Amino acid sequence: GAGVSQSPRYKVTKRGQDVALRCDPISGHVSLYWYRQALGQGPEFLTYFNYEAQQDKSGLPNDRFSAERPEGSISTLTIQRTEQRDSAMYRCASSSGLRNTEAFFGQGTRLTVV
Amino acid sequence: AQRVTQPEKLLSVFKGAPVELKCNYSYSGSPELFWYVQYSRQRLQLLLRHISRESIKGFTADLNKGETSFHLKKPFAQEEDSAMYYCALSGLGGSNYKLTFGKGTLLTVNP
Repeated sequence: GAGVSQSPRYKVTKRGQDVALRCDPISGHVSLYWYRQALGQGPEFLTYFNYEAQQDKSGLPNDRFSAERPEGSISTLTIQRTEQRDSAMYRCASSSGLRNTEAFFGQGTRLTVV
Repeated sequence: AQRVTQPEKLLSVFKGAPVELKCNYSYSGSPELFWYVQYSRQRLQLLLRHISRESIKGFTADLNKGETSFHLKKPFAQEEDSAMYYCALSGLGGSNYKLTFGKGTLLTVNP
């Protein structure tokens, strides 16, 4: 596709379940980012990949959160043992990786933990 | 620590009126500043960035390092400008990949 694709668009899960959110970046984009946006807040950085290497995971809130990008393309953000406070919009973005290039965002995944 | 402040959660203007969305930042170096926009049911997208010094859809923003501000302005608002606007910054150099966003301002342009 032409843009960053995220799936699912909406996910409702019960507290304690694990969830996996998928991001398919723009073809050829080497850099991939995950952000989380709580209601009424701006997006907050979670983690960043350059190709398959996770360069920065400083924004992941705790060890229940993990992300991977094994082949340098599609990425998965996994949340284990979900809690209600994990409810948010999860946004993925990609960029070409060149200096000062624009990051393109996907539509986001709205996660609701009940 | 880097921080972006957008003091107005909501801003309502009439079509044809000037509009200014405020953004202040704190950063201990030379940041790059951006404005992102999200129209209803669309994805977050870049509107403009200070290094480009462009005018996009009639919007301009000037980086004022003395006041640490990057306010977004448009002289004559249009109804299609109604959207959520986020100011964001990144560092130059090694940390230029990480965006710090403000909480956003919802702009409504009334007919």
